[in-house]
Amino acid sequence: IAGITQAPTSQILAAGRRMTLRCTQDMRHNAMYWYRQDLGLGLRLIHYSNTAGTTGKGEVPDGYSVSRANTDDFPLTLASAVPSQTSVYFCASSQDNTGELFFGEGSRLTVL
Amino acid sequence: GQNIDQPTEMTATEGAIVQINCTYQTSGFNGLFWYQQHAGEAPTFLSYNVLDGLEEKGRFSSFLSRSKGYSYLLLKELQMKDSASYLCAVRDSNYQLIWGAGTKLIIKP
Repeated sequence: IAGITQAPTSQILAAGRRMTLRCTQDMRHNAMYWYRQDLGLGLRLIHYSNTAGTTGKGEVPDGYSVSRANTDDFPLTLASAVPSQTSVYFCASSQDNTGELFFGEGSRLTVL
Repeated sequence: GQNIDQPTEMTATEGAIVQINCTYQTSGFNGLFWYQQHAGEAPTFLSYNVLDGLEEKGRFSSFLSRSKGYSYLLLKELQMKDSASYLCAVRDSNYQLIWGAGTKLIIKP
């Protein structure tokens, strides 16, 4: 693994189903982030974690949850997916909360 | 509220120079980033400005004026591979990144 790995890369999901997007980094970065990117809008922060064991809410946290049990992994869970959660989701990490972000390749999620 | 403004789309010619502007209004300032994002791919880091002035990195330069809430990304000797979206982002007083919607740059031969 080099950098940040996200899985799955693409998923079609029925509304009401539970879904977890996985994110793993091997750079030993302290901070990790989940963003969604929708056409015509900037990247919007869903949740973040400044260090293992801590998480915080971003701009659009409703309907999503995260955990940070260790430094490397930062999964994003949709408890009960809705069509408005159709988006491209990017996981990112940075050494700390001041540095540049490194992004995963994205997970394209379609909720029907 | 906080916002970042950049043009939605720009067109330029291969070999030419293009300047992409970004203006921002944020709660505090702890640095400004430019990222490049090719269609269907992840954003990749281009530049970082925290002090006023010009930062040059090869064909790309980025300028910052904190008093004006203004930055630009200058791309010289444009190549077809520079066709992408360019994202401006500012770290606010809480060290959260505020993102612009991006500028789609189209390069024509």
